[in-house]
Amino acid sequence: AQSVTQLDSQVPVFEEAPVELRCNYSSSVSVYLFWYVQYPNQGLQLLLKYLSGSTLVKGINGFEAEFNKSQTSFHLRKPSVHISDTAEYFCAVSGRGSTLGRLYFGRGTQLTVWP
Amino acid sequence: SQTIHQWPATLVQPVGSPLSLECTVEGTSNPNLYWYRQAAGRGLQLLFYSVGIGQISSEVPQNLSASRPQDRQFILSSKKLLLSDSGFYLCAWSIQGSNQPQHFGDGTRLSIL
Repeated sequence: AQSVTQLDSQVPVFEEAPVELRCNYSSSVSVYLFWYVQYPNQGLQLLLKYLSGSTLVKGINGFEAEFNKSQTSFHLRKPSVHISDTAEYFCAVSGRGSTLGRLYFGRGTQLTVWP
Repeated sequence: SQTIHQWPATLVQPVGSPLSLECTVEGTSNPNLYWYRQAAGRGLQLLFYSVGIGQISSEVPQNLSASRPQDRQFILSSKKLLLSDSGFYLCAWSIQGSNQPQHFGDGTRLSIL
């Protein structure tokens, strides 16, 4: 099975500052990795995904993430955040070879952007 | 394009009452379907998943059940709600395959009084 650890439950940051949300995973097989964003009282929206190829993945809203196999990490970054980026962010992992596509989620990181 | 509909958006129910939450997907066939519950600060807990009509797998034994009467319809039910059933319930779908992301509905906020 797989598991995900999001190292920070809350990340406060000022507008236009850079941000990094950390995610580490554990798996006995190769993985696919995902980041989702959740705005209050809404469902989860896919930000980006790593399936294969380049370890730097670009997503929507100016976010990017880098897959580091040796460190088993998939940290999410944005060079300059906006107030509208305030939301909860979830990292998720899926083990390769499963037709189900079962996702294992971290507990989430609440990003709060202050003016 | 594919869409997922979940209703109702909010629900307030007394303890001991029954529950039925419905989720439908449009624009795709034979999707994998999922029910999650989200409690504050605890991330997402997978409750049930289904890979086809009538095929339901339960992740956590509890007071809830799920059914898939049609290819793109997924229903979450309970005969008697408990206070601990309060939470935010999310339905999701994916194309079959482990590299396919899940796509979520807007959720149902369930409050038990």
